[in-house]
This record gives sequence, structure tokens and C-alpha cells, in this order.
Amino acid sequence: DSGVTQTPKHLITATGQRVTLRCSPRSGDLSVYWYQQSLDQGLQFLIHYYNGEERAKGNILERFSAQQFPDLHSELNLSSLELGDSALYFCASSVGLAPTYEQYFGPGTRLTVT
Amino acid sequence: DQQVKQNSPSLSVQEGRISILNCDYTNSMFDYFLWYKKYPAEGPTFLISISSIKDKNEDGRFTVFLNKSAKHLSLHIVPSQPGDSAVYFCAASEGGNKLVFGAGTILRVKS
Repeated sequence: DSGVTQTPKHLITATGQRVTLRCSPRSGDLSVYWYQQSLDQGLQFLIHYYNGEERAKGNILERFSAQQFPDLHSELNLSSLELGDSALYFCASSVGLAPTYEQYFGPGTRLTVT
Repeated sequence: DQQVKQNSPSLSVQEGRISILNCDYTNSMFDYFLWYKKYPAEGPTFLISISSIKDKNEDGRFTVFLNKSAKHLSLHIVPSQPGDSAVYFCAASEGGNKLVFGAGTILRVKS
């Protein structure tokens, strides 16, 4: 158990809909990262928050947004969903600012868009 | 543009032998490299890392080698154990910025 929790574990929704994925980092970790893993692909970095502030963006679509709240949990919002958004979404946390600090990953949320 | 490539989708090794997982990168500005391991239905877990100022880092059965001139790194697992069967991801970072991951290599250790 990494100490990072993600909800829900599975999500099935229709095209055009909006969903929210939630992540609670390990106690004491200030950084939260979001990654997308599509079929047969590596982990694609989406966005990084540190202590409530956005620190870096990767290949995150404009239809996607995220935030980190004062209690350090984070939410990833995906809107106008398309079939291609079906993927595993991982959240990771770490104690430091740089992504080279060991990141602790949650079990992921599997999103299926039908 | 895949900056980090793991060209072997899978690798099968006998228990007790050496497993060698390879990773190539194209960005010469990468200065930190990491390996993560992933079991089914779990998130990746950190395994080992290496800075570009080193060419080798060892942690128990795991050793990472970095060849900067070839833009190549490898992970050696000796001896391999059935519990090592997992997907292994190579990742790289430039100047402490975002991690760029490879597509992963599935390692199967046969007993």
C-alpha cells in the first residue's frame, strides 16, 4: 500500500460527459502528479501541483483540468469526454518539489468512455 | 516524439539468472533517470535511480548502468526471482522537470 488513495477505481461513462477523479496523497506529501496510461502506452505526464500551486503541465488537453485543495487532495476533471480518453489515470505524490523525488503512485482509476 | 524508448515489449528469464532491461533516450539534456516497477492492478513503485554524473548505481539485486555517449541505460536484476515478474518502466527528467516514461517492458521470471 503506497498510502496514496484514488477514487473511484472504475468509471464507465458516455461520450460528451464530465467526470471527476479524486486523489489523496500520502500524509506529508506536498506534490501531486497526474498521469494517463492508455493501452500499450507508457505513463503520460499530465500535470503537477505542489502545495496547492500548479508547477508543471504536460500533454494535458484543454478539456482536462485539475486542482489541489488546501488539505492537499487533488481532483482531475475531464470534460466533453471522447472514446480516446479511455485510459488508466494515476495519481502520484512525493514529499519534494522536483519530480525526481521518489513518487508514490495510487492504484489508478480506470476510465471507460462508451 | 518518443524521447524514452523501451524497445523490448517483453522479456522472459529463468529464475536465478540475470535479467537485463534496456532503455534508450534521445534527449541529451536528460540528467536523471529512474526505473519503476508495476504489478497488475497496482500503481508503479519506485525501484532505483541514477544521476547523469554517475555511470552505475547499485541497490541489492538491482543495478542501473548509464552510458551517456550511447544514450542508453539498462537495469540488471541478479538473481532474478519469480516475484520480479512485472512491467518495468524507464523514466527520465531534464533539470528536475517532468518525468518522461518509456512504454514499459514486461518481465516474466520462470521458476
